[in-house]
Amino acid sequence: EPEVTQTPSHQVTQMGQEVILRCVPISNHLYFYWYRQILGQKVEFLVSFYNNEISEKSEIFDDQFSVERPDGSNFTLKIRSTKLEDSAMYFCASSVTRDTEAFFGQGTRLTVV
Amino acid sequence: AQKVTQAQTEISVVEKEDVTLDCVYETRDTTYYLFWYKQPPSGELVFLIRRNSFDEQNEISGRYSWNFQKSTSSFNFTITASQVVDSAVYFCALSEARTGANNLFFGTGTRLTVIP
Repeated sequence: EPEVTQTPSHQVTQMGQEVILRCVPISNHLYFYWYRQILGQKVEFLVSFYNNEISEKSEIFDDQFSVERPDGSNFTLKIRSTKLEDSAMYFCASSVTRDTEAFFGQGTRLTVV
Repeated sequence: AQKVTQAQTEISVVEKEDVTLDCVYETRDTTYYLFWYKQPPSGELVFLIRRNSFDEQNEISGRYSWNFQKSTSSFNFTITASQVVDSAVYFCALSEARTGANNLFFGTGTRLTVIP
């Protein structure tokens, strides 16, 4: 069964460093999403992406965040200058259309030290 | 503005008991979607169900059932004959057609512990 793949599963980075989280969505999917879950808290929407553009973003998704689809298979989330409070689980998801079911990846746990 | 309330922070039940997880939502949209996800200790999000606002039929899937009531803005989830493997955090979520069915707004979750 096709699935959304996220790498790495766990990443440790120093405060102030740039980090890129990678996702390979399901191949025929056109809509892509990033969510964040700070440890012990709820899952929060960050951004949705379609046709090489951001279609929706939350208040959390400020200028330190960016997303990109650098090639035909990857979808990345870049955090420019990480802060301690960026430590969280980051989930990628994808869907065929805007309103069909989204499938979540296993998540990348980011730890900023 | 949208809001999802899961008032039960933690629930413990003994194996084989039934348990109901409550979810109350708020939205101004007439077209919206409601979801339940399971998050086991391993951390991934496991999709359980999605319902749209026009479909108030209750649903049963094995030991799981969902009760959607627009009159009370609730979408409650019942596990019958609970098992230890049901121990997890369960999230209710809402999305609005206006912003896209997959722009989910999650509740704070209910941690279910099933005691053997």
